Parts: sequence; C-alpha cells; structure tokens
Amino acid sequence: KAGVTQTPRYLIKTRGQQVTLSCSPISGHRSVSWYQQTPGQGLQFLFEYFSETQRNKGNFPGRFSGRQFSNSRSEMNVSTLELGDSALYLCASSTPGQGYTEAFFGQGTRLTVV
Amino acid sequence: AQSVTQLGSHVSVSEGALVLLRCNYSSSVPPYLFWYVQYPNQGLQLLLKYTTGATLVKGINGFEAEFKKSETSFHLTKPSAHMSDAAEYFCAVSDRSGSGTASKLTFGTGTRLQVTL
Repeated sequence: KAGVTQTPRYLIKTRGQQVTLSCSPISGHRSVSWYQQTPGQGLQFLFEYFSETQRNKGNFPGRFSGRQFSNSRSEMNVSTLELGDSALYLCASSTPGQGYTEAFFGQGTRLTVV
Repeated sequence: AQSVTQLGSHVSVSEGALVLLRCNYSSSVPPYLFWYVQYPNQGLQLLLKYTTGATLVKGINGFEAEFKKSETSFHLTKPSAHMSDAAEYFCAVSDRSGSGTASKLTFGTGTRLQVTL
C-alpha cells in the first residue's frame, strides 16, 4: 500500500509570508504527527492530530498550526515566516490501538525561507 | 520528561568493521525505544524497535540493539559495516502511557555514520 505522502517536496518562501504543507497518511491510519528537523535543533515534535482533533502539541509558537480532515489528511500552516523556520518538515502516520503502534514517516517537505 | 542522548555526532568505520552507535535515555518508566535511519533528503525509516519481551531486538539490514534497563541504554550494532550503511541514525523514545500510539517521539541529536574503504 502507498506510504505517507507529503506535498510539496520543496518550497521557497519569503520572510513574512505564510505557508501550508500537506500530508496524506497511509490508508487506514487516523493519527498524523508533524516534526521539524533543523541542523541546530534536530528533530522536534510539533503536534499530533487524531480524528480531526489536536491531541498533543510541542513547544512551538502559535504561528505554527495544523488541522486534520475527516479523511485523515493533515495540513500544517506557518504564518509570518521567519528565516529560522527553514527546515525539513516531516509527517508521520500511525493507527492508535492497544499497546505499541508504529509511526511511518513521509519523505518530508523542505522549506526554505529567504 | 523524556530525553535521549546519542554519544558521538559522527562515527567513522571501515567497511567490514563493527558498527556501534550509542544511545542512552532518560525516562521515569521504561519507554518504547527505536532506531531510525535517514538518508540524504529522505524521511525516516524504522530500523528496529523495543516495546516488550526480548531485550535483544533484530532489525532490518543486519542491525540489532539491546535494551539494558540498568544502564538505560539502547545501543545499535552491526557486525560488519557496508558502504550502503552510510547515513544518519536517530535513537528515539516514546512513552507507554495514554493512547499507546508511538507517534509522539523524542529524538536524539543523531549520529552520522561514515563507512570508508
């Protein structure tokens, strides 16, 4: 079956603009998580959505937001972009249940803010 | 709060040599433990995981790791390195509470493995 799909793969934006990234989870997966990866801060958890509700949130400013649709697809939005928002944004999907459930990652969206 | 420490941001080994990547975690209760690999401009691929049961876990591509509770460690090993193993490796933890999902992960800072001829 198809893996986690993130679009677009690459994006260049200007400071002050806003951006929306998309993530389509593996079919049947209802949980989507987002991570930011930068050389300085490494991999950091942004937020997790399950059944259209934000369930967990990392320590990021309010400029970072997300949502999940009824088909489990998720979007994240960053407003008023700053140079420091340049990063690889990774999405992971899983299907919560009893015990451990694996998270599968997409290839990421590389955002460059100039 | 959970945390993960990976000792050595860069490790270089010769092809055919033993690979040892170190990971120590801090958690109030034994967490789920993972090793992921990342190739350039790619996402993360799960190498192996420890959730319960046998403390020596085998993963893909000949990698294995041993969960040592007394040492709070989960080091990754491979007996014989191959050129294709050159990549960045991340150790991660996830807590066992709540929904049981492993989708909220805390990552280490990563170890870049270089394999030389």
